[in-house]
Amino acid sequence: AQKVTQAQTEISVVEKEDVTLDCVYETRDTTYYLFWYKQPPSGELVFLIRRNSFDEQNEISGRYSWNFQKSTSSFNFTITASQVVDSAVYFCALSFWGNKLVFGAGTILRVKS
Amino acid sequence: EAQVTQNPRYLITVTGKKLTVTCSQNMNHEYMSWYRQDPGLGLRQIYYSMNVEVTDKGDVPEGYKVSRKEKRNFPLILESPSPNQTSLYFCASSTRDRGRGYSNQPQHFGDGTRLSIL
Repeated sequence: AQKVTQAQTEISVVEKEDVTLDCVYETRDTTYYLFWYKQPPSGELVFLIRRNSFDEQNEISGRYSWNFQKSTSSFNFTITASQVVDSAVYFCALSFWGNKLVFGAGTILRVKS
Repeated sequence: EAQVTQNPRYLITVTGKKLTVTCSQNMNHEYMSWYRQDPGLGLRQIYYSMNVEVTDKGDVPEGYKVSRKEKRNFPLILESPSPNQTSLYFCASSTRDRGRGYSNQPQHFGDGTRLSIL
């Protein structure tokens, strides 16, 4: 079965703390894509990153970094020095069979000042 | 401006009264999809379309219909809405990933439609 698990329902941190959001996926496909999306309190969905199954390089973009490990089927997202504006729901998603997309349940991140 | 436009943004209606949520994109995208978002369940795919006249079921298609007569439009139809279809709905579109697949590109999402069915 194709599945994405975000085990952390909600995380609360204080500003400037580092925080890691976990994502574990299941798929039988050898070719697949993984995504992270952000949903701020205003409700829109914002694309953050895409990774394909052949590219295990970690990525850093400013305060954001992503750790993709096929051995553990994980695609974790770390925010360094969190800020209040990072407060949002974060979704991990898996694209498989080239035409279907499945999302995790999301992690609510609350960053307090 | 590149965008996905959904209408209406909010709707309160009653059980059994047919409704349509429209979705239009101006980016000439091949792939379009509908999702519903419910607390604790994330986004679940209802239907998707890989091009004009090509549609297929996602994970939760029961009670919904779609059509893709034009590339830019992908309406979601609830023929006989029921209270368990009360949800936040998102339409999305993306280009095709050449040689690989349709859902492998980042999705561009509309602003969402909040449906309440009494």
